[in-house]
Amino acid sequence: DTAVSQTPKYLVTQMGNDKSIKCEQNLGHDTMYWYKQDSKKFLKIMFSYNNKELIINETVPNRFSPKSPDKAHLNLHINSLELGDSAVYFCASSPQVGDTQYFGPGTRLTVL
Amino acid sequence: QQQVKQSPQSLIVQKGGISIINCAYENTAFDYFPWYQQFPGKGPALLIAIRPDVSEKKEGRFTISFNKSAKQFSLHIMDSQPGDSATYFCAASSAGAGSYQLTFGKGTKLSVIP
Repeated sequence: DTAVSQTPKYLVTQMGNDKSIKCEQNLGHDTMYWYKQDSKKFLKIMFSYNNKELIINETVPNRFSPKSPDKAHLNLHINSLELGDSAVYFCASSPQVGDTQYFGPGTRLTVL
Repeated sequence: QQQVKQSPQSLIVQKGGISIINCAYENTAFDYFPWYQQFPGKGPALLIAIRPDVSEKKEGRFTISFNKSAKQFSLHIMDSQPGDSATYFCAASSAGAGSYQLTFGKGTKLSVIP
């Protein structure tokens, strides 16, 4: 039983394309997050949603747009992909804001 | 400005030895300090966490030591095993700030050699 799942696991695309990464959690959690992990393994929060409402919106390019259709899903859409967007993107969830966060397996995005 | 500084960047320990990873923070409002363990190709997973009302927390071979006055906390792995080889991240967050945003250290790659 996968708690936090992401699709796809790998994504290879050309510069300028638009792509989406999907995240689903079956834990019944209220809060979901997107993180970016760069090539040096540094983890940085991008967005957080609580009960489908945006609560954290770090300084990321507005080419990145999260969408939460319901509490169990938080998708990440990226427009006009750039080389610097290459990274591993992790989705996470927590029961409430401030609780332990549970991470998904990650999506490795490679922009050529 | 990096709010959580983690060291060392990499660590090699013999099997059975003690692994020690240190973190220092700047924001005195931080009140939750978790450690995450990440294996290659996997997402980070919570290992152990501490709040500043205690100076130490132990779970099995893993211990967090917390020094509030020095604004430092560390992870000790006793009897290190090859299966402990992973990247470890310290993190901190503040309920008082209202966002509960986790700020991560830059990670320590631990290799335990037989």
